[in-house]
Amino acid sequence: EAGVAQSPRYKIIEKRQSVAFWCNPISGHATLYWYQQILGQGPKLLIQFQNNGVVDDSQLPKDRFSAERLKGVDSTLKIQPAKLEDSAVYLCASSAPGTDYEQYFGPGTRLTVT
Amino acid sequence: LAKTTQPISMDSYEGQEVNITCSHNNIATNDYITWYQQFPSQGPRFIIQGYKTKVTNEVASLFIPADRKSSTLSLPRVSLSDTAVYYCLVGVNQAGTALIFGKGTTLSVSS
Repeated sequence: EAGVAQSPRYKIIEKRQSVAFWCNPISGHATLYWYQQILGQGPKLLIQFQNNGVVDDSQLPKDRFSAERLKGVDSTLKIQPAKLEDSAVYLCASSAPGTDYEQYFGPGTRLTVT
Repeated sequence: LAKTTQPISMDSYEGQEVNITCSHNNIATNDYITWYQQFPSQGPRFIIQGYKTKVTNEVASLFIPADRKSSTLSLPRVSLSDTAVYYCLVGVNQAGTALIFGKGTTLSVSS
């Protein structure tokens, strides 16, 4: 079974530039999550999708972050414009129906904002 | 905010049993306790989940006392490859799933 795929794995941008991350969840997983993990901290949930609908985006900085999940499969997370404090690893995860406590994480995208 | 307290770090030697305790005094009636493991440069990986008493799988055991205000993750006979960060998760987000990570416990296993 293929795992959660993410790209790119690494990205370096200058502040005020924009960046987008892509995630392909495990086939059949209805729930998709984006997390931000700053060095030395645990992952912080940014947004949670159930199929292609948002169920929680309370911690998403909506003035600069946006996310979509078209057709209930792949998802993209965008930052525009980026700030220095956005430097982090962005993790995508997915879970099967009825087992949201068991999330499968991708390898993450390490973003460096200079 | 995470509602758990864990030791920041622990050290062990290969072959020993490691017990990591998590305090969650304000656990709600409907909260489950979930543990994840994270290796460097990887996403977290689900280890085990429980509600009360004891749960065991091929990787670990989870002990939960009757008052559920704490829990203990037990790793039998650790090896170097068990060096990782271990997260205890309790609580729910708006969607009703346990997604609140704290800082975790960094376990270092030496030979």
